[in-house]
Amino acid sequence: KQEVTQIPAALSVPEGENLVLNCSFTDSAIYNLQWFRQDPGKGLTSLLLIQSSQREQTSGRLNASLDKSSGRSTLYIAASQPGDSATYLCAVRSSNTGKLIFGQGTTLQVKP
Amino acid sequence: DADVTQTPRNRITKTGKRIMLECSQTKGHDRMYWYRQDPGLGLRLIYYSFDVKDINKGEISDGYSVSRQAQAKFSLSLESAIPNQTALYFCATSDSYREGEKLFFGSGTQLSVL
Repeated sequence: KQEVTQIPAALSVPEGENLVLNCSFTDSAIYNLQWFRQDPGKGLTSLLLIQSSQREQTSGRLNASLDKSSGRSTLYIAASQPGDSATYLCAVRSSNTGKLIFGQGTTLQVKP
Repeated sequence: DADVTQTPRNRITKTGKRIMLECSQTKGHDRMYWYRQDPGLGLRLIYYSFDVKDINKGEISDGYSVSRQAQAKFSLSLESAIPNQTALYFCATSDSYREGEKLFFGSGTQLSVL
C-alpha cells in the first residue's frame, strides 16, 4: 500500500529565505507526482506535476524534483515571500491503480 | 467562472438526514473524484469515476454513494449522515489523455453533521 509522508508538518521562515519541502513515498511504482498549494478554507491549486520519467519541473520561483529510486520528491521555493504562506501537499499517482494518494502537507509561514 | 464547481459551499445538517453534494466541471475531463479532508488525516479518496459508466470505491467509501449523471457531473450522497462525516469535501477532475493527469480541484464543501 502506497504511503506518502511530508516532513516537517509545519515550517516558519523569514521573508527572502530559500527553502525546501520534502515528500517521501513507499512504493516507487508511480505514474506521476503532483505538488499542490492550499490556502485556509480553500481548494487545492496545482503547482507542479512531474511525470515518472522526469527528474524535475520548474515554474517561476518553484522547482520540484523527483527521485523514484529513493522514494523522494522535494519542492524548492526561492526567495520566499509572505504570500507563499499556505499548506503545501504532495500527491503520488500509482501506476498500478491510478489512485492519487496525498501526504498530510507542510504548513509554511513566511514572516515579513 | 470556476472550471470545477461544487454546491453547496457550506451545509449544516442533522444526524440521519440524506445529503447530496454536487460537482460539475467545464474542463471536458473524463475522470472525476471525491475526497474528504480532515485535520490530521489529510485528503482521503471516497469514490472515483474514470468515465460515465465506471465507478470505483476509494479508501473510505462506507456510508457514501455516488452518481455520474454525465461526463460533467458527479454527485456524492450521504444516505444517513452521521457526525463523523463532518469534514471538508472536495471534488476533483483529471484528463487521462491531456495535461499528464493533472488534478484540478473545486473550492470544497464544508459539511457539518450535528
